[in-house]
Amino acid sequence: DAGITQSPRYKITETGRQVTLMCHQTWSHSYMFWYRQDLGHGLRLIYYSAAADITDKGEVPDGYVVSRSKTENFPLTLESATRSQTSVYFCASRGRLAGGPSSYNEQFFGPGTRLTVL
Amino acid sequence: KNQVEQSPQSLIILEGKNCTLQCNYTVSPFSNLRWYKQDTGRGPVSLTIMTFSENTKSNGRYTATLDADTKQSSLHITASQLSDSASYICVVSDGLYNTDKLIFGTGTRLQVFP
Repeated sequence: DAGITQSPRYKITETGRQVTLMCHQTWSHSYMFWYRQDLGHGLRLIYYSAAADITDKGEVPDGYVVSRSKTENFPLTLESATRSQTSVYFCASRGRLAGGPSSYNEQFFGPGTRLTVL
Repeated sequence: KNQVEQSPQSLIILEGKNCTLQCNYTVSPFSNLRWYKQDTGRGPVSLTIMTFSENTKSNGRYTATLDADTKQSSLHITASQLSDSASYICVVSDGLYNTDKLIFGTGTRLQVFP
């Protein structure tokens, strides 16, 4: 299917366990992003990637690791999950809207992964 | 500090009525302002995007306005439908980096009842 997908959609894990959230996009967009969404906060950027093998920290990177060996995949790993990482995680990719100038780069979001850390 | 504030936090209206959501921002420099719709359990979907030179932009029954001088935006929904029930998120881009860094508001949760 075309678009951006995330897996799993729901995950329950325990404190201290390693968890990997998957993100896959079929548009070959260069830029990809990981956000978390919590009550009382707007979406906050965790990590982003400008291309394969190029990643950088966002606003709230602590406790997370990313990799990008292929353009279409951008997994997010919680190396040792904590309760504060209970959240909804969204992956996004950035592409140019048809006919628009560069300022019209749009971010397309996946459906999200709801993660609960017990 | 770059911030995007939205009001009201939540809103209940009857089907067929109009409503207006507000967004104030203190983001500098400013590149563009976007409104997203987020259905429950889904990712945000773009409704409109405006640069500083655009005062208004429509997408069907959704009309966004932007006043770059007062740093305010509004999203007007005309003749609301049950499917408009969602969170509406105002997002401002500072345009500083290639990342096109986005600053998200916390959203307005709209419920439309029959």
